[in-house]
Amino acid sequence: EVQLVESGGGLVKPGGSLRLSCEASGFTFSSYSMNWVRQAPGKGLEWVSSISSSSSYIYYADSVKGRFTISRDNAKNSLYLQMNSLRAEDTAVYYCARARTYQGYCSSTSCPDAFDIWGQGTMVTVSS
Amino acid sequence: EIVLTQSPGTLSLSPGERATLSCRASQSVSSSYLAWYQQKPGQAPRLLIYGASSRATGIPDRFSGSGSGTDFTLTISRLEPEDFAVYYCQQYGSSPPVTFGPGTKVDIK
Repeated sequence: EVQLVESGGGLVKPGGSLRLSCEASGFTFSSYSMNWVRQAPGKGLEWVSSISSSSSYIYYADSVKGRFTISRDNAKNSLYLQMNSLRAEDTAVYYCARARTYQGYCSSTSCPDAFDIWGQGTMVTVSS
Repeated sequence: EIVLTQSPGTLSLSPGERATLSCRASQSVSSSYLAWYQQKPGQAPRLLIYGASSRATGIPDRFSGSGSGTDFTLTISRLEPEDFAVYYCQQYGSSPPVTFGPGTKVDIK
């Protein structure tokens, strides 16, 4: 079964750090671009970051640039999001999502692909 | 940055009726890199349509997408009880790489 399972969420104080993980199974993880998307309570979806299959291309939303770092370990079938200098507005459910296309194309500006597999999400709460 | 606007904000319909959801982009969407997702409460989004008009794997044919350039439409031909949810459009072709619309809620009239 194709599956993504996030972990690492929790309660953290403003200015603190957290590292999210996403473990993939059921597909060749190393051949797909991966993404993080978040959803604040009662709000819509917000794209956070993307990484190409070999980590050659990385992209961030302006709202997290300089604070968040996406990475992956293809040997461990895992995607990560290191979140530093957290703010109250970072409070959200964080989803990892797979890009749809096997060995999909990426460029310096994007990996143009829809997200076909999503994890169940992990909640991050930033509060004092 | 491409901004997506969805209308209406809420669509109140009865099972069996046709639903027409609109997504308008502030600039032309490259190569019809436009997707639609369905999200139910407490669940992750599910991909319905990619490339503006291609159905994702396992999606019933009552869901269809159309449009190009700046105007896109998701149509649900006959609403089933399980279709009442929030629907998001997404563009994935331009920098910033990805943006989502604010969503349209389809609820039971």
